[in-house]
Amino acid sequence: GAVVSQHPSRVICKSGTSVKIECRSLDFQATTMFWYRQFPKKSLMLMATSNEGSKATYEQGVEKDKFLINHASLTLSTLTVTSAHPEDSSFYICSARGGGWWVTEAFFGQGTRLTVV
Amino acid sequence: TQLLEQSPQFLSIQEGENLTVYCNSSSVFSSLQWYRQEPGEGPVLLVTVVTGGEVKKLKRLTFQFGDARKDSSLHITAAQPGDTGLYLCAGALGTASKLTFGTGTRLQVTL
Repeated sequence: GAVVSQHPSRVICKSGTSVKIECRSLDFQATTMFWYRQFPKKSLMLMATSNEGSKATYEQGVEKDKFLINHASLTLSTLTVTSAHPEDSSFYICSARGGGWWVTEAFFGQGTRLTVV
Repeated sequence: TQLLEQSPQFLSIQEGENLTVYCNSSSVFSSLQWYRQEPGEGPVLLVTVVTGGEVKKLKRLTFQFGDARKDSSLHITAAQPGDTGLYLCAGALGTASKLTFGTGTRLQVTL
């Protein structure tokens, strides 16, 4: 399958600082990338969908000013958690999908464990 | 409201046993995927089913998509400790590009 690389895998930051997470598709062009948040022992919760070159579409209840998403190229999307607080601590996962709108298969990154202290 | 409900939520079995995980919804999906996720890692795609009634096999895993494309099942034969993980179904609604994930089934296989 296609390879999606997420970096960093773990990050600890101080409350009030910002953290950037990168998601790269290594061997295909990702027309769409998705960002998820996962709480312990729970399923994935979609935060936002981003298409290359356009603004991200956020799910209801997700603060767009807090979770900044940039999808500037067909192989890279970034999620920046701004002014992080302890309640933002979570496992963040990206997925990437290539091809047209009819393609539903997405491939996931390894995830990023964010801890805000 | 969770569109995709999985059952059971948690399953602990011994090596060699068989099991079935269900993924149910009242919505019709254009396609449905199954993933397995291990702790601290991203989900790994196991299979995609598209046609109602479709059955796919992946070694000891058998996936079935319901005739009405509203539900799916995953059957594992002779489970092994390496099958341990979180199993997630995910469906695409119509032409929507995003996936809706199920509630998840945590499987633990012991020796």
